[in-house]
Amino acid sequence: GDSVTQMEGPVTLSEEAFLTINCTYTATGYPSLFWYVQYPGEGLQLLLKATKADDKGSNKGFEATYRKETTSFHLEKGSVQVSDSAVYFCALSDLALIQGAQKLVFGQGTRLTINP
Amino acid sequence: EAQVTQNPRYLITVTGKKLTVTCSQNMNHEYMSWYRQDPGLGLRQIYYSMNVEVTDKGDVPEGYKVSRKEKRNFPLILESPSPNQTSLYFCASSFFGTSVTDTQYFGPGTRLTVL
Repeated sequence: GDSVTQMEGPVTLSEEAFLTINCTYTATGYPSLFWYVQYPGEGLQLLLKATKADDKGSNKGFEATYRKETTSFHLEKGSVQVSDSAVYFCALSDLALIQGAQKLVFGQGTRLTINP
Repeated sequence: EAQVTQNPRYLITVTGKKLTVTCSQNMNHEYMSWYRQDPGLGLRQIYYSMNVEVTDKGDVPEGYKVSRKEKRNFPLILESPSPNQTSLYFCASSFFGTSVTDTQYFGPGTRLTVL
């Protein structure tokens, strides 16, 4: 079945450092790929998404490119801020066999802490 | 404001005492879903609903029930909670839930502890 694997956390960086959070996936169909962010005490918010191979999603300085050849969707940011401290989830979206319903499959999450 | 709301946000209960977690969305979305979040496991789908009166099991449905009598509401029912259902629960919704490109919008979460 479909699966998503993220790099193990937690990740701790200093402000203005470069960030990469690795994400790889396994899917049988043609999924869309998402990054969600969960700030402390809050629900998940969509950070960015890409719907086909070679698409680049971007938002708030974060970027990720849908790489079908390496089945990856790594999250990057050039200069992180303290306010980026959160848990980041990579997810793929496929269609379930029953009813053709959308199905989100999540990675385990990566906790990011940015120190001033 | 477009949003998904959940109540309660925090709940501590005892084994076997029936409880309901409510979920409501004001975006006229057809599709709604429940997830549980556990450390190291990410989010796993419990149940989903494509429309009123249409529900189906996700990956971890055991011990849970749902109903969809109105488009905006999708309550999660634990008829006899057990300690292994201690978790953080999220409700989500999207417009149709029939496309891989749909964005799901999440509620703030309900932290449940079963003693």
